[in-house]
Amino acid sequence: RKEVEQDPGPFNVPEGATVAFNCTYSNSASQSFFWYRQDCRKEPKLLMSVYSSGNEDGRFTAQLNRASQYISLLIRDSKLSDSATYLCVVIDTGTASKLTFGTGTRLQVTL
Amino acid sequence: NAGVTQTPKFQVLKTGQSMTLQCAQDMNHNSMYWYRQDPGMGLRLIYYSASEGTTDKGEVPNGYNVSRLNKREFSLRLESAAPSQTSVYFCASSDPGQGFLAPLHFGNGTRLTVT
Repeated sequence: RKEVEQDPGPFNVPEGATVAFNCTYSNSASQSFFWYRQDCRKEPKLLMSVYSSGNEDGRFTAQLNRASQYISLLIRDSKLSDSATYLCVVIDTGTASKLTFGTGTRLQVTL
Repeated sequence: NAGVTQTPKFQVLKTGQSMTLQCAQDMNHNSMYWYRQDPGMGLRLIYYSASEGTTDKGEVPNGYNVSRLNKREFSLRLESAAPSQTSVYFCASSDPGQGFLAPLHFGNGTRLTVT
């Protein structure tokens, strides 16, 4: 089993739709979680951190479920500009050397 | 505000050739990293430097060497390129002083093809 798994997609959704991605992780001791966004042929950029209590940033909501070992990203009112690959990132210790990236979920928002 | 700058953006090598990928950051970050990204594999850590003067192997270090030249610069060298090293390479930096939530800041990437 991979340390961090994501559905590669693509998720094709119409503009205005709500879409959710999950990311599962295998190490129950994992401590920190993030979502990154990567546009085609560009570098990854931090989208948001994932806190235990869940957190929201505008149209984006991140949740952590430690019991089931997954994190989720919910995007409401999808925009064309949301089209990208979303990478989940899991850190097992306090150093980024143990930072593990998922392979990403591709989202395509259409008119 | 340059952030993390990588050069070159593209490179084609023949098997056995050598090259150095350059990376510099202007954010005064202590930690720097080299990743490679391959289809279906996710980003994998090659080497990292927790602070100036230190370097450590990551998940896939074979075939690579690194140099942390100073706080700003962290280079990645391929001594004898192989087709398996065809990939997109990203340099990144972070400020561990922010603790667990320190985000990685990535450079624009280098697309390397080894024929």
